Amino acid sequence: SQTIHQWPATLVQPVGSPLSLECTVEGTSNPNLYWYRQAAGRGLQLLFYSVGIGQISSEVPQNLSASRPQDRQFILSSKKLLLSDSGFYLCAWSQVSNQPQHFGDGTRLSIL
Amino acid sequence: GESVGLHLPTLSVQEGDNSIINCAYSNSASDYFIWYKQESGKGPQFIIDIRSNMDKRQGQRVTVLLNKTVKHLSLQIAATQPGDSAVYFCAVRMVGSYIPTFGRGTSLIVHP
Repeated sequence: SQTIHQWPATLVQPVGSPLSLECTVEGTSNPNLYWYRQAAGRGLQLLFYSVGIGQISSEVPQNLSASRPQDRQFILSSKKLLLSDSGFYLCAWSQVSNQPQHFGDGTRLSIL
Repeated sequence: GESVGLHLPTLSVQEGDNSIINCAYSNSASDYFIWYKQESGKGPQFIIDIRSNMDKRQGQRVTVLLNKTVKHLSLQIAATQPGDSAVYFCAVRMVGSYIPTFGRGTSLIVHP
């Protein structure tokens, strides 16, 4: 069966520090991969998605970036975090676009 | 594009009652509809989905109804239990899109 791993579960970082969040999927190949941010109020904001290695689409302009160095690995990065980057970050995968997305358990990021 | 709205941000029910959570979407070109459950501190979990060639689909204690005429989607939970307390999201995908649009979520509170 397929599983998705996201780490760390919680992270506290100072303003201006770098960020690297990692997500890996097991049990499938060539998945679509997604990064979302969920602020208080429950809405899910799509940040990036990828349909293949090295293919990244950005949905919103921001100081975050994403990379997909391997088929089942998706990384969310920042060179300098802002206070507004605080939130709950979720990684998800789907096999094809007309099948459900499956989410990891998220990373709670707090910026001080 | 697509926009998705939920009729109620919060729904309170008694244990054993049936729950109905509603969702409206805007684009008649949408063809795939998904319901997710999100418990506190966790990622959204897939519950059930339905495609536009169907009006109704049933799972274990859950039923999804799709009314394409009025662009309305509902999730019915039978014999609601305290473990059903969570935030429920609908997501809607347009034909040809990699990305579903998520609603803002309804918080279901089940009173024992």
